Amino acid sequence: QQPVQSPQAVILREGEDAVINCSSSKALYSVHWYRQKHGEAPVFLMILLKGGEQKGHEKISASFNEKKQQSSLYLTASQLSYSGTYFCGTEGREGAQKLVFGQGTRLTINP
Amino acid sequence: GAVVSQHPSRVICKSGTSVKIECRSLDFQATTMFWYRQFPKQSLMLMATSNEGSKATYEQGVEKDKFLINHASLTLSTLTVTSAHPEDSSFYICSASSGVTGSNQPQHFGDGTRLSIL
Repeated sequence: QQPVQSPQAVILREGEDAVINCSSSKALYSVHWYRQKHGEAPVFLMILLKGGEQKGHEKISASFNEKKQQSSLYLTASQLSYSGTYFCGTEGREGAQKLVFGQGTRLTINP
Repeated sequence: GAVVSQHPSRVICKSGTSVKIECRSLDFQATTMFWYRQFPKQSLMLMATSNEGSKATYEQGVEKDKFLINHASLTLSTLTVTSAHPEDSSFYICSASSGVTGSNQPQHFGDGTRLSIL
């Protein structure tokens, strides 16, 4: 079942922060985050495994709450290069070999 | 590292023809490759999962005889759209992973192929 991302779209000014949520109605083993710019391939950001861990990637970090079956992506002091559509991909069990992607969150960063 | 090359980037052809799309992992061995279809401003819809040397596993609703997938080596998978029709027009993206998903291995995506059937 497709995870639900919120918000669907967000517009920020450079330097502002944003949070993107990814929720599933089913238990999750892992959550993967990707960013896709228009006309380009999705680019891998990070993977979070169950256990409530939090990861960071420059000014982009994420958390995973397996009890809530939810992951959040945090973008701090956003840069123009952060613009794009963010997708979470969820894996229901270890070894599932496939991800189910959310519908995406379109992030626009204005100067 | 982790570069995936997908060719061609764009194809325009007549209805009824077959189109082959190649997906290559250039600097790692891809034990698993995935094929997705993406409509404008929509999510990535998984079509099939392929493991080297095995038959592909198709998602529900995807026609096996329509979308032929071959994963002959650890660096190459191909998707052939047979007898293509206008409704097959879409953006097709492949991804490759060096391990079973769940072992901290991400999927690395190709640049996609925009297929237009006239």
